[in-house]
Amino acid sequence: NAGVTQTPKFRVLKTGQSMTLLCAQDMNHEYMYWYRQDPGMGLRLIHYSVGEGTTAKGEVPDGYNVSRLKKQNFLLGLESAAPSQTSVYFCASSYFGEKLFFGSGTQLSVL
Amino acid sequence: GQQVMQIPQYQHVQEGEDFTTYCNSSTTLSNIQWYKQRPGGHPVFLIQLVKSGEVKKQKRLTFQFGEAKKNSSLHITATQTTDVGTYFCAGLGEAAGNKLTFGGGTRVLVKP
Repeated sequence: NAGVTQTPKFRVLKTGQSMTLLCAQDMNHEYMYWYRQDPGMGLRLIHYSVGEGTTAKGEVPDGYNVSRLKKQNFLLGLESAAPSQTSVYFCASSYFGEKLFFGSGTQLSVL
Repeated sequence: GQQVMQIPQYQHVQEGEDFTTYCNSSTTLSNIQWYKQRPGGHPVFLIQLVKSGEVKKQKRLTFQFGEAKKNSSLHITATQTTDVGTYFCAGLGEAAGNKLTFGGGTRVLVKP
């Protein structure tokens, strides 16, 4: 089992460009999450999903959109990237909110 | 909204010494989880506490959940270089739906 897989691992964008981060899990988890991690800020929840076809806003949702069309996949989109979105993005999944399994992260730089 | 604070932000420890990191929530928690993130890595689940006053041990690590279910602590004895990393607590508020709120983490540096 691969667990939680994030693609890409690194990306550099110019301001105003768009991109999609893909998260895939093979553990049949119901819940999936997107977090961003900035130095000294811990992990901040962007959006999450409690099941296929559902999404909900977290602490810092502005500038991001998500979709969960399939149970195993959770996509994070940036429509118009800004330098403030430079961060490390982590996807995580869990059965029902306990014991999160994290992906290895995506380092995103917006110039 | 729910806030989770961790202190200290940084912990410099001499190898072999003990230390404690603390986690405090602004609201009552249903459960609290602890994660460890090694430098350059991703957070890895350590433990979950659910009951008021609960204490759990994992080898040299002791986790405690406060009686009021608003605070928690992680105590590490005889620190080793393998303990280097950032320790995060994450709280699930009783009224927070399904959102897990992470603290800012305690970054542990070990001096050999």
